[in-house]
Amino acid sequence: QVQLMESGGGVVQPGGSLRLSCAASGFTFSYYGMHWVRQAPGKGLEWVAFIRYDGSNKNYADSVKGRFTISRDNSKNTLYLQMNSLRGEDTAVYYCAKADGSYETNPLVYWGQGTLVTVSS
Amino acid sequence: EIVLTQSPGTLSLSPGERATFSCRASQSVSSSYLAWYQQKPGQAPRFLIYGASSRATGIPDRFSGSGSGTDFTLTISRLEPEDFAVYYCQQYGSSPFTFGPGTKVDIK
Repeated sequence: QVQLMESGGGVVQPGGSLRLSCAASGFTFSYYGMHWVRQAPGKGLEWVAFIRYDGSNKNYADSVKGRFTISRDNSKNTLYLQMNSLRGEDTAVYYCAKADGSYETNPLVYWGQGTLVTVSS
Repeated sequence: EIVLTQSPGTLSLSPGERATFSCRASQSVSSSYLAWYQQKPGQAPRFLIYGASSRATGIPDRFSGSGSGTDFTLTISRLEPEDFAVYYCQQYGSSPFTFGPGTKVDIK
């Protein structure tokens, strides 16, 4: 069955960096687009970034554009989110999610359990 | 950016009742690329509906979606105890792939 396992969360100071990973299994990772979605404590879902199956296109929310970079290594079945210049408002649980196809216009069909990022001094 | 608005913010109902939620978009959602997700406390979201009205695999038929353009609806025909949760709509037709703020269904 599909499994998505996020890691790399933790406490980081404002202005710092963190790299999240999402290890995928149970499906052919290289065929599917992938997303990152976050949820601040007690708040709703916020879409963060998307990457196509082959990495040829990436999309970002305005709130993270220029600071976050989504990438993937299809040989390792792993999705990444490099987060730089972190701010307090980036504090959230970060979920990786599998799209229902290779491209952008597909819903998010499977979700990991999330990893918590706390930005605090 | 397409802004999604959900109403009501909270719905207080009893098991067995019908629940209807609204999701309104600030501009037309292309090709009805509208999905619904359910989230329970401490859990990841669960995929329910895609293409505005198609149920995901394994989703009970008491869940149904409808709508097009800018107005969409999720209906639960008879609430089961496990349906009390927060429901989010999301458009995946154009980036940024925005979510609505959610509707919480709690027990009356």
